Amino acid sequence: EVQLVESGGGLVQPGGSLRLSCAASGFIFSSHWMSWVRQAPGKGLEWVANIKQDESEKYYVDSVKGRFTISRDNARNSLYLQMNSLRAEDTAVYYCARISRRDGYNDGFDYWGQGTLVTVSS
Amino acid sequence: DIVMTQSPDSLAVSLGERATINCKSSQSLLYSPNNKNYLAWYQQKPGQPPKLLIFWASTRESGVPDRFSGSGSGTDFTLTISSLQAEDVAVYYCQQYFNTPLYNFGQGTKLEIK
Repeated sequence: EVQLVESGGGLVQPGGSLRLSCAASGFIFSSHWMSWVRQAPGKGLEWVANIKQDESEKYYVDSVKGRFTISRDNARNSLYLQMNSLRAEDTAVYYCARISRRDGYNDGFDYWGQGTLVTVSS
Repeated sequence: DIVMTQSPDSLAVSLGERATINCKSSQSLLYSPNNKNYLAWYQQKPGQPPKLLIFWASTRESGVPDRFSGSGSGTDFTLTISSLQAEDVAVYYCQQYFNTPLYNFGQGTKLEIK
């Protein structure tokens, strides 16, 4: 059974840092692109970042470029999101998601974790 | 950037009736070499993470009831629930992956029971 379990969320002051983790199991982690998606309270979904299987490619939504860093450790089946210079507008539930790969193409996000809440407030 | 716009923002449908949610992209999601539309639909119930329902615009994910169907091509897409059940109350999102590895979601459509 595929499982994604996020951790590391919490309350942080504006300008602070936080590191999120996502522990993956039940599939070959090193075979999939992985992603972080966030959802502000009462709002819609926002894609945050993607990382290729071998970390050779990383992509970010404009609003987090230069502040957030996505990384992974395939030996530990883990995905990470280092968040620096946090702002109030970064307050959200952060989900880890697996990008599906079928017939040689990446498509949607077929597995999601339960999410971890990040609150940026003084 | 590809902008995804859903309509309506909210929808109330009677049990057993048809529910239709629309999604429009700011540019075509049809990739001619493989004739696939790079669009997915998700369902998110309160307090839960999103669940993938449909990919390639019209292919149901394994385990998704056949009352859910996706249609459309190019820039205009539709998610249809043929006979609404109580457990279908949720927010539904479309998502483009034509511009991968950059992804965009629509703003969501809240579906309720009338």
